[in-house]
Amino acid sequence: EVQLVESGGGLVKPGGSLRLSCAASGFTFSSYSMNWVRQAPGKGLEWVSSISSSSSYIYYADSVKGRFTISRDNAKNSLYLQMNSLRAEDTAVYYCARVEDFYFDYWGQGTLVTVSS
Amino acid sequence: QSALTQPASVSGSPGQSITISCTGTSSDVGGYNYVSWYQQHPGKAPKLMIYEVSNRPSGVPDRFSGSKSGNTASLTISGLQAEDEADYYCSSYTSSSTPYVFGTGTKVTVL
Repeated sequence: EVQLVESGGGLVKPGGSLRLSCAASGFTFSSYSMNWVRQAPGKGLEWVSSISSSSSYIYYADSVKGRFTISRDNAKNSLYLQMNSLRAEDTAVYYCARVEDFYFDYWGQGTLVTVSS
Repeated sequence: QSALTQPASVSGSPGQSITISCTGTSSDVGGYNYVSWYQQHPGKAPKLMIYEVSNRPSGVPDRFSGSKSGNTASLTISGLQAEDEADYYCSSYTSSSTPYVFGTGTKVTVL
């Protein structure tokens, strides 16, 4: 059974940093592109970042470019999102999602990031 | 990359059919058969319902169907049931600098 479990969310002050993790199991992690998708309270889904299976290709939404860094450790079956210079508008539930071809076939349960003073 | 446009809300009675539209451009919806649809119940993670315009993953009821014409994709729910009340989001691959875009989301209400 495919499982994606996010962790690392919490309350952080504006300008602060946070590192999210996503532990994957039930599939060959190193064979899939992985993504982060976020959802601000009461708002819609927003794609944040994507990393290919071997980390060769990395993409970011314009809203986080230069502040967030996606990475993965295939030996540990883990996906990460380093978030720096956090802003109030980064407050959201952050989901990790597996990509099969060009769609998100499995999602984690999400981890809440709150940026507030 | 702007979000794909969906109606904010759609409603229907049990047993009826409803259709949710998802309008993009030739750089996303119209340019590729990589439109997918997601169902999200309150407080839950999104769930894949349709991929590559019209394909259903295993376990998704055949009441859910997808189609596309030009720059607009559609999700149809036939024989609406109470458990179908949820938010629905479309997504597409794009040829822009960012590979994926989501729709604005549609709240489906079962009357």
